[in-house]
Amino acid sequence: QQPVQSPQAVILREGEDAVINCSSSKALYSVHWYRQKHGEAPVFLMILLKGGEQKGHEKISASFNEKKQQSSLYLTASQLSYSGTYFCGTSGTSYGKLTFGQGTILTVHP
Amino acid sequence: DAMVIQNPRYQVTQFGKPVTLSCSQTLNHNVMYWYQQKSSQAPKLLFHYYDKDFNNEADTPDNFQSRRPNTSFCFLDIRSPGLGDAAMYLCATSGTGANYGYTFGSGTRLTVV
Repeated sequence: QQPVQSPQAVILREGEDAVINCSSSKALYSVHWYRQKHGEAPVFLMILLKGGEQKGHEKISASFNEKKQQSSLYLTASQLSYSGTYFCGTSGTSYGKLTFGQGTILTVHP
Repeated sequence: DAMVIQNPRYQVTQFGKPVTLSCSQTLNHNVMYWYQQKSSQAPKLLFHYYDKDFNNEADTPDNFQSRRPNTSFCFLDIRSPGLGDAAMYLCATSGTGANYGYTFGSGTRLTVV
């Protein structure tokens, strides 16, 4: 079953922060986050595994609440290069096979 | 650089004319995936392989088939393309297990005329 992302779209000015959420109705083992720019392939950002952890990647970090079956992606001090569509991908097992959410379109303006 | 390469980048085919999309990888990953992505939608899994073990998603149309002759190569065959099959087709690879992110190829954009 497809995870649900919110919001569907976000518009920011450079330097502003954003949070993108991903919720599943099924128990999750892992959550992946990807960014896709228009006409390009998705690019891997990070994985969070069952156990409820938080990870950081420069100014982009994420958390995973296993009990709530939710993950959040945090983008701080946004840059123009952050623009794109962000997808979460979820798996209920330890062997991958992701189902992707519908995506969140992030637009950063100067 | 190790990577996932898809050919061709753009493919135009006629309605009903069989078409094959290819994917190769130099990452030596044993898992390969084919996703279909229509405009402004999420990627949708069609098939995946654990080594040569083929796994078909329940809702993948019979019109779609796949082959993986060796670790490095994977093919997606569309036997009789319809207008509804126009999409970006993404190949991805990963290692086995939950710790591996996907590495995607640049995709093949299929147009059916």
